[in-house]
Amino acid sequence: AQSVSQHNHHVILSEAASLELGCNYSYGGTVNLFWYVQYPGQHLQLLLKYFSGDPLVKGIKGFEAEFIKSKFSFNLRKPSVQWSDTAEYFCAVNARAAGNKLTFGGGTRVLVKP
Amino acid sequence: KAGVTQTPRYLIKTRGQQVTLSCSPISGHRSVSWYQQTPGQGLQFLFEYFSETQRNKGNFPGRFSGRQFSNSRSEMNVSTLELGDSALYLCASSLDPGQGFVGYTFGSGTRLTVV
Repeated sequence: AQSVSQHNHHVILSEAASLELGCNYSYGGTVNLFWYVQYPGQHLQLLLKYFSGDPLVKGIKGFEAEFIKSKFSFNLRKPSVQWSDTAEYFCAVNARAAGNKLTFGGGTRVLVKP
Repeated sequence: KAGVTQTPRYLIKTRGQQVTLSCSPISGHRSVSWYQQTPGQGLQFLFEYFSETQRNKGNFPGRFSGRQFSNSRSEMNVSTLELGDSALYLCASSLDPGQGFVGYTFGSGTRLTVV
């Protein structure tokens, strides 16, 4: 069975700082990769996804992620965060052989100080 | 178009009772999945329904069950509630064009508290 680990449980940073959240997965087969965000009191929203092609994926709100197959990683980045980026971020993996099922990482709570 | 709608938003139940949660997917989405979100265990897959059939199942006891109707709406049921069932239950729908997983749209969830 696949598993997903997110290295940081909590991240605190100031506005305009750069953000990088780590995500590693364990699965030997072909995967689709996702980052979701959950703002306080709101539902999970898709930030970006990788299915194939260019391993550098750009998403909404200035986020991007890079898939490094050899490292089984899909790290999320944003060059300059805003207070409104305060949220919980989830990395998720879909093993293509598993059908419509996502395995989520434990999440990273990001607090951006104004 | 309307998003994924879950009802009710909040529920308080007593141990031993049963509960039914409802989910209406995005129009045209035929696949509906359910997830449990807790602070300790995070987001865990419960099951997926497609064309009124359970197509995929997670590692939850038989007290957790679901069904899907011909209009793709889905319900999940939890019988003999335990305190540990307190969680946010999320429904997610997917278009499922038959070419592999294309991603989910999540609902806002039902917050279940068992006392």
